[in-house]
Amino acid sequence: QQQVKQSPQSLIVQKGGISIINCAYENTAFDYFPWYQQFPGKGPALLIAIRPDVSEKKEGRFTISFNKSAKQFSLHIMDSQPGDSATYFCAAGTLGSRLTFGEGTQLTVNP
Amino acid sequence: ETGVTQSPTHLIKTRGQQVTLRCSSQSGHNTVSWYQQALGQGPQFIFQYYREEENGRGNFPPRFSGLQFPNYSSELNVNALELDDSALYLCASSPRQGTIYEQYFGPGTRLTVT
Repeated sequence: QQQVKQSPQSLIVQKGGISIINCAYENTAFDYFPWYQQFPGKGPALLIAIRPDVSEKKEGRFTISFNKSAKQFSLHIMDSQPGDSATYFCAAGTLGSRLTFGEGTQLTVNP
Repeated sequence: ETGVTQSPTHLIKTRGQQVTLRCSSQSGHNTVSWYQQALGQGPQFIFQYYREEENGRGNFPPRFSGLQFPNYSSELNVNALELDDSALYLCASSPRQGTIYEQYFGPGTRLTVT
């Protein structure tokens, strides 16, 4: 019940396009869903996060969509740029507790 | 404001040896979590420390142990190293106050076991 499943494993998008990464979880106790961005040789950086009391959260070009009944959430990157090329991880957790991560999506944005 | 720092950056050890990794939490953060990230995978939770006490542990054997100090910095100790322990070890700190959930990661320590 602790799994978080992420797809796709890799994604190639043209500059200016929309990147979409999906995650599904099983544990209904999860109430915090962050997305992290990781560049090679670096630690994960918190990008954006959502709580289940809202269905969508937008910060700049990044949007999280959340579907509580389906136990799914997704990250949309609008106007994707080559600098967005990185590995993206979804995660799920509860207050003050551990995060359970997905397996990651390697995003490549071609110029 | 200083972010999460970890030392050393890289480390090479031999199977059977012991290793200590260090983490300094972000200013104002009193909770530290450790994660193991194998190559090409997502981070896996090892354990969390809050006010110098272990506060949750993942599916890791007892040879993985830790400490948190009064200044909220932390150590991860791994005994009897195995080849499969080769990974990036990440420390994350969070300001455990009320409804704050965010965890902020350091750059990690790359451990290679030969």
